[in-house]
Amino acid sequence: GDSVTQMEGPVTLSEEAFLTINCTYTATGYPSLFWYVQYPGEGLQLLLKATKADDKGSNKGFEATYRKETTSFHLEKGSVQVSDSAVYFCALSEGAAGNKLTFGGGTRVLVKP
Amino acid sequence: DTGVSQNPRHKITKRGQNVTFRCDPISEHNRLYWYRQTLGQGPEFLTYFQNEAQLEKSRLLSDRFSAERPKGSFSTLEIQRTEQGDSAMYLCASSLETGGPFFGQGTRLTVV
Repeated sequence: GDSVTQMEGPVTLSEEAFLTINCTYTATGYPSLFWYVQYPGEGLQLLLKATKADDKGSNKGFEATYRKETTSFHLEKGSVQVSDSAVYFCALSEGAAGNKLTFGGGTRVLVKP
Repeated sequence: DTGVSQNPRHKITKRGQNVTFRCDPISEHNRLYWYRQTLGQGPEFLTYFQNEAQLEKSRLLSDRFSAERPKGSFSTLEIQRTEQGDSAMYLCASSLETGGPFFGQGTRLTVV
């Protein structure tokens, strides 16, 4: 079945550092890929998505590129802020976006001033 | 607020009691999903509706769990004869047929 694997956290960074969170997936078809973020005490928020190979999703300075050849969707941000401290979840859905999501286990990111 | 709304936000119940949670999706969204999230894990899919039809149920959804979406609007998730293992965050999400699902803030259930 479908699965998503994320790098384990916590990831601790200093402000203005470069952030990468690795995500790889296994799927039978051509999934859509997502990154969700969960800030402390809040619900999951859709951060960005990509629906086909080589698409790049971007939002709030975060980017991720759908790499079919490596089955990956790594999240990157060039200069993190303390306010980026959160748990980040990679997810996929089979077929068109809007179908049920399969999530990775989440990666906690802590940005220190 | 036009986001997904879930009530209650927190529920503490004794083992063996029944509980019901409500989800109000974004108004134009025809798809509605329920997920369960335990501490330190990613959300796990439970069930989903397209309009009022329940189209898929996970095998995680035991016979003690039932979900409804009358008239294709709000949805309820009921857990009968709660067990301590049911303690979790229950998340509702909604979407159009295309587009990433949008999540509510969840209902945290504690079974004591």
